Amino acid sequence: GENVEQHPSTLSVQEGDSAVIKCTYSDSASNYFPWYKQELGKRPQLIIDIRSNVGEKKDQRIAVTLNKTAKHFSLHITETQPEDSAVYFCAASSPVANSKLTFGKGITLSVRP
Amino acid sequence: DADVTQTPRNRITKTGKRIMLECSQTKGHDRMYWYRQDPGLGLQLIYYSFDVKDINKGEISDGYSVSRQAQAKFSLSLESAIPNQTALYFCATSETGYAQYFGPGTRLTVL
Repeated sequence: GENVEQHPSTLSVQEGDSAVIKCTYSDSASNYFPWYKQELGKRPQLIIDIRSNVGEKKDQRIAVTLNKTAKHFSLHITETQPEDSAVYFCAASSPVANSKLTFGKGITLSVRP
Repeated sequence: DADVTQTPRNRITKTGKRIMLECSQTKGHDRMYWYRQDPGLGLQLIYYSFDVKDINKGEISDGYSVSRQAQAKFSLSLESAIPNQTALYFCATSETGYAQYFGPGTRLTVL
């Protein structure tokens, strides 16, 4: 089955700097890659997603890039703000696996004021 | 997202008790999911359902059962709760099988 890994497990950046979070996946049939943000005590919320027929997608300060050859995708956050501090989960799904989402273990992003 | 609700929000129970967690949605989505979240382990899929008659096991279904009472309702049961089932449980829905939308979660503690 699919295996999704996130590294590192924590990331700390200065407010205003950019943050990049990378995920790797194992199943070459995977075709959908969402990113979720989970604030402390809250539910995971979908912030951006990308399908395998697209290499990059942007939404204001966040963007996701996909490298199908290397089987990795990354979340880019520009001009980070303290409210960006949260746990970020990446996931992948494959139509072969009923489009179930397989999640990474999450990365804790801390934005220092 | 108020369109997906879970009850109860918090529950403390004892080993051996039967527990039911409920999920309701007003999004009109056919697909519903139950996940378990443990610190440092991400989200693990317990069961998922594509419609009332289609229920499937996820990666960690042992010790759990589900019931899809209607398109809008999907319940998770622990027949005989044990302490290592202490976790945060999330329900999610999806229209297409791609983007999933989560409920607020139920924090379950088994003593």
